[in-house]
Amino acid sequence: DAGVTQSPTHLIKTRGQQVTLRCSPKSGHDTVSWYQQALGQGPQFIFQYYEEEERQRGNFPDRFSGHQFPNYSSELNVNALLLGDSALYLCASTGSGANTGELFFGEGSRLTVL
Amino acid sequence: QKEVEQDPGPLSVPEGAIVSLNCTYSNSAFQYFMWYRQYSRKGPELLMYTYSSGNKEDGRFTAQVDKSSKYISLFIRDSQPSDSATYLCAMIKGSNYKLTFGKGTLLTVNP
Repeated sequence: DAGVTQSPTHLIKTRGQQVTLRCSPKSGHDTVSWYQQALGQGPQFIFQYYEEEERQRGNFPDRFSGHQFPNYSSELNVNALLLGDSALYLCASTGSGANTGELFFGEGSRLTVL
Repeated sequence: QKEVEQDPGPLSVPEGAIVSLNCTYSNSAFQYFMWYRQYSRKGPELLMYTYSSGNKEDGRFTAQVDKSSKYISLFIRDSQPSDSATYLCAMIKGSNYKLTFGKGTLLTVNP
């Protein structure tokens, strides 16, 4: 049973560019959340997708956008990259019926902005 | 003031020691409390989940919640080198989908 898979694992971009990160949830899960984890910090909630809709959003600018597909996979898009966007981007999935807050995380996509 | 405060350590203990990790929080709306473990270059994995004040035990791990003091703890008994990781406390408000994490405590268990 595959867990949460994310791609790419590492990428380097320059300021002003755009990036798309991808996530496939754990089998049987229908809800996907995205978190940003800066070095030495805890993960920060970006948004959550359920039934192809953004259900809740954290304190991130509109440069951060997302999408969920009918197969429950998801993308995170970041436009006009800033140096401060360098971080580990984590995707987490959960299923309906799971305990609130019981998330399964992928290994993350490490983004470096130069 | 941050909603969730966690001492980042680092914490270094000998094998077999009892480890105590703690978080405090400021918002009484938090109802569900979790501890996640994150190994280097990996995503967090759920260790413990609690929703009421009191203790919950799972093997060598005990999670403790004191809602009146807004304080949660994780105890690790008979610590092993394989427990070396960053431990993140996390909590969530009742009708909410956003997990709020502490900064994490880096634990090293020395053989």
